[in-house]
Amino acid sequence: GQQVMQIPQYQHVQEGEDFTTYCNSSTTLSNIQWYKQRPGGHPVFLIQLVKSGEVKKQKRLTFQFGEAKKNSSLHITATQTTDVGTYFCAARVNSGGSNYKLTFGKGTLLTVNP
Amino acid sequence: ETGVTQTPRHLVMGMTNKKSLKCEQHLGHNAMYWYKQSAKKPLELMFVYNFKEQTENNSVPSRFSPECPNSSHLFLHLHTLQPEDSALYLCASSQVAGLQETQYFGPGTRLLVL
Repeated sequence: GQQVMQIPQYQHVQEGEDFTTYCNSSTTLSNIQWYKQRPGGHPVFLIQLVKSGEVKKQKRLTFQFGEAKKNSSLHITATQTTDVGTYFCAARVNSGGSNYKLTFGKGTLLTVNP
Repeated sequence: ETGVTQTPRHLVMGMTNKKSLKCEQHLGHNAMYWYKQSAKKPLELMFVYNFKEQTENNSVPSRFSPECPNSSHLFLHLHTLQPEDSALYLCASSQVAGLQETQYFGPGTRLLVL
């Protein structure tokens, strides 16, 4: 079935370095969402992208939706220790017939060395 | 964040016990979800309820039994669980409108099966 693939699975950086996680689908997506889960916490919605080629920024975070609406990326500039956590992408994909469900990628665990 | 609450937050149970997890959403949403999150398989969708009707059961063993008495409450009844069922169980809710959907997660119940 349709899946949302996310890479890398893990990323360790030094504080101040940049970080990027990528999300890919084999089919065109209507929109894509990003969530962050802090260690010991629960996923929290960050943003939704809808338009082809859309770019949105939240402080040091830059979210991009591909032109073909099949991929997305989350880029963090100059990471800080507060950025530690798992970043998930999620998209509504067809689960059979006319049914759609929000499907999450496996997430990228970001650790930051101070 | 108190939009989605879950109780208990931690649970230890033996394999012969029967327990229930409770979820309540105060957001007026029309859909509720149970997810299982473990170290090996992060964020597995278990059950989906739309307007109190179960619309999805992702091949979940019968030892997990969901119940949705109304659009604000969701239960997960547990019986004769296995140690491999130990995980974080997350409840989420959303307002599904066409292809637009953002999920709001509760804090989760961390379950340990002995």
